[in-house]
Amino acid sequence: SQKIEQNSEALNIQEGKTATLTCNYTNYSPAYLQWYRQDPGRGPVFLLLIRENEKEKRKERLKVTFDTTLKQSLFHITASQPADSATYLCALDMRGNTPLVFGKGTRLSVIA
Amino acid sequence: DTGVSQNPRHKITKRGQNVTFRCDPISEHNRLYWYRQTLGQGPEFLTYFQNEAQLEKSRLLSDRFSAERPKGSFSTLEIQRTEQGDSAMYLCASSPARTGGAEQYFGPGTRLTVT
Repeated sequence: SQKIEQNSEALNIQEGKTATLTCNYTNYSPAYLQWYRQDPGRGPVFLLLIRENEKEKRKERLKVTFDTTLKQSLFHITASQPADSATYLCALDMRGNTPLVFGKGTRLSVIA
Repeated sequence: DTGVSQNPRHKITKRGQNVTFRCDPISEHNRLYWYRQTLGQGPEFLTYFQNEAQLEKSRLLSDRFSAERPKGSFSTLEIQRTEQGDSAMYLCASSPARTGGAEQYFGPGTRLTVT
């Protein structure tokens, strides 16, 4: 069956360090992969999308990589700040305009 | 504010009652999605519309759930005969035609508590 794993339920890092979150999937061939941020009691906020033919994408302090051979995406936040503390969700889009499938998320805490 | 809005933000109901939630998407977005999210889980797809057409429903969606988007603008999600297991955050999202369903913009959600 299809499965998405965000391998850390929670991640604590020191302010200023780079946070790296992992999203692994099995039995999918997604057209693209997305990352969202979710704060408590709020809806997810779209951050980045990376297509199957892209290896890396950047936006300000954020970087996403996508390895379709390993079936893995890495999400990096450089120079992390306490304001980056949130839950980060990865989501896969299956082919044919089907809805997104979300992982459970990783709760990131950046400690000052 | 031109984002996705949802009403009500919170709803407490007794088991067996019917509830209805409303979602107003970003005005130029033709796709509208409903998700359900429980604590510690990611959003789980329920159904989606392209304009007024309901194109897909999750197999997990009980026949107690129904959604409409009558004029291709706002949408409603109704749950009949609520059960305690329906307690969750109900999220609505919209996306523009140009993205084919990617880059979904979520509303703040409606938190349902069934007692």
